[in-house]
Amino acid sequence: KNQVEQSPQSLIILEGKNCTLQCNYTVSPFSNLRWYKQDTGRGPVSLTIMTFSENTKSNGRYTATLDADTKQSSLHITASQLSDSASYICVVGPNNNDMRFGAGTRLTVKP
Amino acid sequence: DSGVTQTPKHLITATGQRVTLRCSPRSGDLSVYWYQQSLDQGLQFLIQYYNGEERAKGNILERFSAQQFPDLHSELNLSSLELGDSALYFCASSVSGMGSYEQYFGPGTRLTVT
Repeated sequence: KNQVEQSPQSLIILEGKNCTLQCNYTVSPFSNLRWYKQDTGRGPVSLTIMTFSENTKSNGRYTATLDADTKQSSLHITASQLSDSASYICVVGPNNNDMRFGAGTRLTVKP
Repeated sequence: DSGVTQTPKHLITATGQRVTLRCSPRSGDLSVYWYQQSLDQGLQFLIQYYNGEERAKGNILERFSAQQFPDLHSELNLSSLELGDSALYFCASSVSGMGSYEQYFGPGTRLTVT
């Protein structure tokens, strides 16, 4: 069973709308949680990194939240743009060399 | 541009063959990670090197091996290739091998085994 579960698997929204992606994890011990954006056929790009003591972090229109007690994280995208169409990957790990990847949420933003 | 370079971008080869993928980390980064991403699959961690030494191993097959050279570039060797080895192979680098340091991913090498 994957230790990092993401939902939904895929999502279609209209340009300008907001959306929220979910990540539940069972990884233990826990040191950090990351969200990556991956365009099709390209390498992932980091959006946020949060440690267990942080419960929110923003990067422009992207805001990640973390509840270490319930082992849940969310990525909120505000005022979506066509360029936000990508896969969003949640990654959880005790440290850099033991990171567990979720399967990702494929987001499509339509005009 | 992450500063991590990978060559070649694309590679097409036949089953049973051997290939080498190359990665140059960002300037100043000592740690290199290799990942495999099959079609519609999540990223799978293969192996990590830190300053020339193997630091961690993930789901790496025995047919695969890697090394990191004194100039910190790394190579991933894939041998006795099978159709199922067709995938995107990513290299990432970070300044440290532990903690919560940022990992920067390269553009990937797309391997097609026919």
